[in-house]
Amino acid sequence: DGGITQSPKYLFRKEGQNVTLSCEQNLNHDAMYWYRQDPGQGLRLIYYSQIVNDFQKGDIAEGYSVSREKKESFPLTVTSAQKNPTAFYLCASRRTSGTLGSYNEQFFGPGTRLTVL
Amino acid sequence: QQQVKQSPQSLIVQKGGIPIINCAYENTAFDYFPWYQQFPGKGPALLIAIRPDVSEKKEGRFTISFNKSAKQFSLHIMDSQPGDSATYFCAASTRYGNKLVFGAGTILRVKS
Repeated sequence: DGGITQSPKYLFRKEGQNVTLSCEQNLNHDAMYWYRQDPGQGLRLIYYSQIVNDFQKGDIAEGYSVSREKKESFPLTVTSAQKNPTAFYLCASRRTSGTLGSYNEQFFGPGTRLTVL
Repeated sequence: QQQVKQSPQSLIVQKGGIPIINCAYENTAFDYFPWYQQFPGKGPALLIAIRPDVSEKKEGRFTISFNKSAKQFSLHIMDSQPGDSATYFCAASTRYGNKLVFGAGTILRVKS
């Protein structure tokens, strides 16, 4: 069964703690993405990676960090520097070759809901 | 220039009605325009996508209309059903773009 898995589904964090959200894909996609979703604001890009050991900041990278040591995995750490981390976090992946159009589509995981207590 | 503006924010229609969701963009380099459907607590899933070389694309009950000169595109849902109740996002990217720019989303409710 090919797809993207995110864990945990729900995560609670105390203020001042760092937490790491997991994202794994077995689609053999090169590119991976992290988005944050807040009510009424759509999906905002946090970080993305097009290849192992390389990643770029998105529109709202402050307070977050990522790593890409393996093609299949792209974990996101929400640090204590992120002032308002309560949100729904979505991971996505994309192929970077193929027929025109086939490499534009992003496939999303089921999401992790993070709540700061 | 990178924004995609989506309207309305929410929409309620009766079963069998045809909800229409509109999006507008500024960046003329955008070349790929997908629509995603998201159910509560789930990740978005691609519904249908269009490129600017065609003005309309249909997949089942879902149709995208594209107006290149106006830089607008819209999603129509024919014979809408309660199971279509979800949040819909439009998005755009350049031809070889590695990023999607998303609209703010439309919450659709289809009343039975």
